[in-house]
Amino acid sequence: EIVMTQSPATLSVSPGERATLPCRASQSVSSNLAWYQQKPGQAPRLLISGASTRATGIPVRFSGSGSGTEFTLTISSLQSEDFAVYYCQQYDNWPRTFGQGTKVEIK
Amino acid sequence: EVQLLGSGGGLVQPGGSLRLSCAASGFTFYNHAMSWVRQAPGKGLEWVSGISGSGGSTYHADSVKGRFTISRDNSKNTLYLQMNSLRAEDTALYYCTRDSSKGLTPNNYFDYWGQGTLVTVSS
Repeated sequence: EIVMTQSPATLSVSPGERATLPCRASQSVSSNLAWYQQKPGQAPRLLISGASTRATGIPVRFSGSGSGTEFTLTISSLQSEDFAVYYCQQYDNWPRTFGQGTKVEIK
Repeated sequence: EVQLLGSGGGLVQPGGSLRLSCAASGFTFYNHAMSWVRQAPGKGLEWVSGISGSGGSTYHADSVKGRFTISRDNSKNTLYLQMNSLRAEDTALYYCTRDSSKGLTPNNYFDYWGQGTLVTVSS
């Protein structure tokens, strides 16, 4: 099983600042990497697939990069609605696995 | 608009059974593989089971293999998860999700999520 690691578990950022969220895979997943956003009491929402392709309707301030084992989700200028938990997920091999999530909180 | 409406959750005793349903609308149901993903209270996400668009292929996580069965009725646009021999560690919010393509392969991500249905296993 491919283990996805997200660290730190919590990231404190001020509104308007840039947030950088790392995700590491225990083995190469090529570009088969997705990012999801989950707000309290809501289902997760797809942000990014293919490591860097924004889903429909996702603002341009969200960007993804990386390939192989190292990936990054960047939020260029945090808005109030962006404070949430973010999960990375690999879809290169069975079983599809998620990272444990990074909570972005207001500093 | 894609909608996934889960139902069937509830409180069940250890060793009991439950069947979850997910009614899909807003897209051509048989053109997409579907999955169930769960989230234990305060925890992260775990993929549980997947099924191809035709229903001919299924795959289950090791943690539920032999106990859970995923199925679908394309004439009713409905996805199911039959859960038997339930354990306390199965307590979670179960999300119905749409896979990004028709075939059941590991190379799908989850492009739409339902609101989740809560399963609690406790005596």
